[in-house]
Amino acid sequence: GAGVSQSPSNKVTEKGKDVELRCDPISGHTALYWYRQSLGQGLEFLIYFQGNSAPDKSGLPSDRFSAERTGGSVSTLTIQRTQQEDSAVYLCASSLQSGGHQPQHFGDGTRLSIL
Amino acid sequence: DQQVKQNSPSLSVQEGRISILNCDYTNSMFDYFLWYKKYPAEGPTFLISISSIKDKNEDGRFTVFLNKSAKHLSLHIVPSQPGDSAVYFCAASFPQGAQKLVFGQGTRLTINP
Repeated sequence: GAGVSQSPSNKVTEKGKDVELRCDPISGHTALYWYRQSLGQGLEFLIYFQGNSAPDKSGLPSDRFSAERTGGSVSTLTIQRTQQEDSAVYLCASSLQSGGHQPQHFGDGTRLSIL
Repeated sequence: DQQVKQNSPSLSVQEGRISILNCDYTNSMFDYFLWYKKYPAEGPTFLISISSIKDKNEDGRFTVFLNKSAKHLSLHIVPSQPGDSAVYFCAASFPQGAQKLVFGQGTRLTINP
């Protein structure tokens, strides 16, 4: 398909483990965003990439969270030493460019559950 | 600090009638507003947007109205159809250069046959 692809779709892990979430944006989209949605809440911005650089990391909740993007395409979000409050749906979005108010197109998310 | 607020967690409307979803914001720096629709276990889907220089934008059955002085926007769906049943999120963004979206908490719309 031509949409944003995220994997895994579901992840259950024990507290304290590290997890890695993957996002494959729409081909040609230079801007990539990570959000998370906790139960009953709206989407919370985490980080934004333009190409391989991350001009805005302001939403990362702690230094346990990191993200990278290589080749201007696939991005991975890593959460180290997971805590129960990290349980949420992690959503990735991409857009053609960061300027000009291009709509962001979302993947179906990774549902992360920390036991 | 919740900069974008959707004060109605849920809304129930009869099929064929008009659905009106509301959204308020507090930050006057926002210059672009969007509505997204979300089905369970799927990502949000872009629906319609409006720039702060306009007060109305229409796309088929969907119309978004913006009242800048009141810092309020609304999404009208007419006529409402069963497939419109979903969670609707209002989102706002800042001027070019800071493109993160700030989302409201969402409103669950149910269209009754």
